[in-house]
Amino acid sequence: QKEVEQDPGPLSVPEGAIVSLNCTYSNSAFQYFMWYRQYSRKGPELLMYTYSSGNKEDGRFTAQVDKSSKYISLFIRDSQPSDSATYLCAMKNAGNTPLVFGKGTRLSVIA
Amino acid sequence: KAGVTQTPRYLIKTRGQQVTLSCSPISGHRSVSWYQQTPGQGLQFLFEYFSETQRNKGNFPGRFSGRQFSNSRSEMNVSTLELGDSALYLCASRLEETQYFGPGTRLLVL
Repeated sequence: QKEVEQDPGPLSVPEGAIVSLNCTYSNSAFQYFMWYRQYSRKGPELLMYTYSSGNKEDGRFTAQVDKSSKYISLFIRDSQPSDSATYLCAMKNAGNTPLVFGKGTRLSVIA
Repeated sequence: KAGVTQTPRYLIKTRGQQVTLSCSPISGHRSVSWYQQTPGQGLQFLFEYFSETQRNKGNFPGRFSGRQFSNSRSEMNVSTLELGDSALYLCASRLEETQYFGPGTRLLVL
């Protein structure tokens, strides 16, 4: 079992839809959870950062962490064609430990 | 503040050659991590340097090596290139628990 599982998609939605992206993980020691957005031929861009369980909102983006279920989500409201990208979840233990990434979900928002 | 910069952006090499990639972190960031990204394996951690010392290492063969200089700039080297080394190599600059990525170097091995 991989440490972090993420459905690769592709996921195609109409403009204005609510998008839900998810990751599950197996390592209960993970405490820091991130979502990155990666456009084609670019490096990943940090979107959301959450420590431990709970919700965090930033504009149209909401990140949720449920440590009891080892499940994290990213919601995108009022999705736009410019949101079309690959979304990567990432997580890590406390301290000087590396990030562990999901394989990414490719999202297309159709105008 | 300028972001993470990586050079070169694109490289074509042949099997058996060696390659050196360069990364300059965000000013003030002392930690630099390197990742390999391929369609099949996703993003995989190579190694992390902090204050010129390797602090973590991923599960890659010894052909992959790196170093960090006193100004926090980092280089990674791949010797005896194999076809499977074709990938996007990403450098990330770290501040506390968050990492900020550069645009990557796309390496094609023929």
